[in-house]
Amino acid sequence: DAGITQSPRHKVTETGTPVTLRCHQTENHRYMYWYRQDPGHGLRLIHYSYGVKDTDKGEVSDGYSVSRSKTEDFLLTLESATSSQTSVYFCAISPEDRSNTEAFFGQGTRLTVV
Amino acid sequence: RKEVEQDPGPFNVPEGATVAFNCTYSNSASQSFFWYRQDCRKEPKLLMSVYSSGNEDGRFTAQLNRASQYISLLIRDSKLSDSATYLCVVNAWNDMRFGAGTRLTVKP
Repeated sequence: DAGITQSPRHKVTETGTPVTLRCHQTENHRYMYWYRQDPGHGLRLIHYSYGVKDTDKGEVSDGYSVSRSKTEDFLLTLESATSSQTSVYFCAISPEDRSNTEAFFGQGTRLTVV
Repeated sequence: RKEVEQDPGPFNVPEGATVAFNCTYSNSASQSFFWYRQDCRKEPKLLMSVYSSGNEDGRFTAQLNRASQYISLLIRDSKLSDSATYLCVVNAWNDMRFGAGTRLTVKP
């Protein structure tokens, strides 16, 4: 299995609080992604990174920010959590542009905003 | 209309059955196609890529029809271990879109 770890694995937080999810990889892959998965929807891309300090928005980026200060770490921050951000969050990595190669996913973080 | 549409199922089949899943996509500029498998409360994992000429991997066969913007996955001789959700994935210019998945349960 690809060396990719998400933390925390589960979190319950209150509306309005900031939350940071961490994705850590040991594969030295260039590309890293954050997705959310909700019932009735496929995985939807929040943000992605194509290198240190290089990030871009995905299709559902509102309310989220990211940072990548090191190759191995990609952080997702909810500045002020809302109930609509209750979801399962997956980090993924790939050595190349994911259009041409497999993306490896972390085990997911279950976030509940109450 | 969703970019990638799949029948959510569930498909409940007996062991040994043949089952087929379909997926349609709306972006005619899509370039690459995949099937991922996701077990309950686990992360998605690549099952197979889908090539224009069709491709087979053991009991699994994937087909692509670009004219109809349609992808299929055929599973022959179903095993209990095939029970999972199967995600159709379509990529256009590094914009990768996932279907919501089709749930399969294989029963003894």
